[in-house]
Amino acid sequence: NAGVTQTPKFRILKIGQSMTLQCTQDMNHNYMYWYRQDPGMGLKLIYYSVGAGITDKGEVPNGYNVSRSTTEDFPLRLELAAPSQTSVYFCASSYGTGTIEAFFGQGTRLTVV
Amino acid sequence: QKEVEQNSGPLSVPEGAIASLNCTYSDRGSQSFFWYRQYSGKSPELIMSIYSNGDKEDGRFTAQLNKASQYVSLLIRDSQPSDSATYLCAVNRVTGGGNKLTFGTGTQLKVEL
Repeated sequence: NAGVTQTPKFRILKIGQSMTLQCTQDMNHNYMYWYRQDPGMGLKLIYYSVGAGITDKGEVPNGYNVSRSTTEDFPLRLELAAPSQTSVYFCASSYGTGTIEAFFGQGTRLTVV
Repeated sequence: QKEVEQNSGPLSVPEGAIASLNCTYSDRGSQSFFWYRQYSGKSPELIMSIYSNGDKEDGRFTAQLNKASQYVSLLIRDSQPSDSATYLCAVNRVTGGGNKLTFGTGTQLKVEL
């Protein structure tokens, strides 16, 4: 059972570079989320999606973009990386209705230098 | 006022004691409540969900919800060193864009031998 899979696990970017964090889930969940977690802090919602083709901003969306072309995939795009984007990024998914518990991927540790 | 508030700790308890973790939330429209456990360097893992007022027990864990007081708690009985982790409270509310899951900053629990 794969659950939620994130790639890569680690990445170092130079300031101004771009990259895409991949997230895929095999649980047929409608909802998918991207969070970032800074050291000693909780999870802050970047973007979320309630289904294919529908995305919405969370509390810290600046500097990021997302797309949801399929139910399974929810990539997070970083354009023009900045040191402030150094963080651990978690992707999560849930059914969204009824049983709405969210399940997390293993995370991507990103450092921008 | 933060949407979800937790005492950051650390909360230290001796092995075998009861650990009590607390969480308050600001939106009275919140409907679903979750406790996640996060070991250092790992992703959050769901341990309890609660949807209605009262207590819900699962093994050594009991979640308590009081919607009138906007208060959620987690009790861990017979605490073990393996319970040492950060415990994140999460609150779900329905917005115009769908379900939105918001996390507190977490409480660090240390179970001492």
